[in-house]
Amino acid sequence: DAMVIQNPRYQVTQFGKPVTLSCSQTLNHNVMYWYQQKSSQAPKLLFHYYDKDFNNEADTPDNFQSRRPNTSFCFLDIRSPGLGDAAMYLCATSRDSGWEPQHFGDGTRLSIL
Amino acid sequence: DQQVKQNSPSLSVQEGRISILNCDYTNSMFDYFLWYKKYPAEGPTFLISISSIKDKNEDGRFTVFLNKSAKHLSLHIVPSQPGDSAVYFCAASPRPGGTSYGKLTFGQGTILTVHP
Repeated sequence: DAMVIQNPRYQVTQFGKPVTLSCSQTLNHNVMYWYQQKSSQAPKLLFHYYDKDFNNEADTPDNFQSRRPNTSFCFLDIRSPGLGDAAMYLCATSRDSGWEPQHFGDGTRLSIL
Repeated sequence: DQQVKQNSPSLSVQEGRISILNCDYTNSMFDYFLWYKKYPAEGPTFLISISSIKDKNEDGRFTVFLNKSAKHLSLHIVPSQPGDSAVYFCAASPRPGGTSYGKLTFGQGTILTVHP
């Protein structure tokens, strides 16, 4: 009954080779988020979509882009991955903004060779 | 600048006893607080939340307490069970509206181990 699905679960890419991570949801939620979590650290918000409106966090590197072609899908594109981009990437959704819990997928573990 | 802090990286508790996980925050604009539980190789799972208009919220074995003047919240698990062993994250969100759109700021997490 997975409601927020991330593919792939594990992704290995080469230094500088573009990579795309995928997230889909069956909850029909308006808001979708991408977080980066490095080992033993707090998840850090990269950006989010409220419907089609894209909101980038001020400190998200330009290397990170996102697309949301429809309500169900959201993609994270890393244009030129560096070694420092190796992390767990978490996708989350919420019905609306404000006092609504976010529902997370199981994440994609990205490794850079 | 860590706005949400969980100062205890780990906590070990005996089965049946109380687990108390603590969280401090610095941003007075935070209005909504959540706890998430995370098992290895899984995403965080929402556990319980509290808004700033309350000082306590209870859901079964889980109770969250909020002390706004101290900018402190805690999660109590009673009685603790081995299946509760996981990483617990607290998170905070500013009040609705504006450009924040429910943005969550997370603490670093506390690893809870409940021994049989």
